[in-house]
Amino acid sequence: GQQVMQIPQYQHVQEGEDFTTYCNSSTTLSNIQWYKQRPGGHPVFLIQLVKSGEVKKQKRLTFQFGEAKKNSSLHITATQTTDVGTYFCAGTTNSGYALNFGKGTSLLVTP
Amino acid sequence: EAQVTQNPRYLITVTGKKLTVTCSQNMNHEYMSWYRQDPGLGLRQIYYSMNVEVTDKGDVPEGYKVSRKEKRNFPLILESPSPNQTSLYFCASSLVGGRVITDTQYFGPGTRLTVL
Repeated sequence: GQQVMQIPQYQHVQEGEDFTTYCNSSTTLSNIQWYKQRPGGHPVFLIQLVKSGEVKKQKRLTFQFGEAKKNSSLHITATQTTDVGTYFCAGTTNSGYALNFGKGTSLLVTP
Repeated sequence: EAQVTQNPRYLITVTGKKLTVTCSQNMNHEYMSWYRQDPGLGLRQIYYSMNVEVTDKGDVPEGYKVSRKEKRNFPLILESPSPNQTSLYFCASSLVGGRVITDTQYFGPGTRLTVL
């Protein structure tokens, strides 16, 4: 089946440093979604990207969808302790509605 | 308030004892889905449903059943639970537009299941 690979698995940064997580798919995606899960919580939807080359921003978060619609990234500028959690990407293909999640990147931010 | 509810939140059971985890949403969403989350494996989709009476397998459907008799409810059934089904389970729902899951997918709070 479709594979969505996400790296890195873990990232530990000092508060104020930047952070980026990357997703790569073995097949072309029709869309990609990003989620954040706080420790002990449930995934919370952040954003969906649909168009090739799309870039969206939410305050300090920048989301990109690759031109070939096979990769995506989430970049956080000047991390804060409130950014702690696991960030997941999830994609669907044109062949169906199954949603395939990456394994997530766990972000730890120390003051 | 828009929400997805799951019950029970915690369950400890024994091998082979049939159980059902309920999921309900109040947003009139067409798309509903079940996931399991295991350490190091992330979220894996078990089953999903595009609408009433329309269900399809995700990545890990073995050992699970679902039904979608009403739009708001999407129960997950384990006919004969086994220890390898010990996991954290999430239900989620979303609107659908055309061939794209549109916008926000809302997740329930999770059900932590232990099968002894």
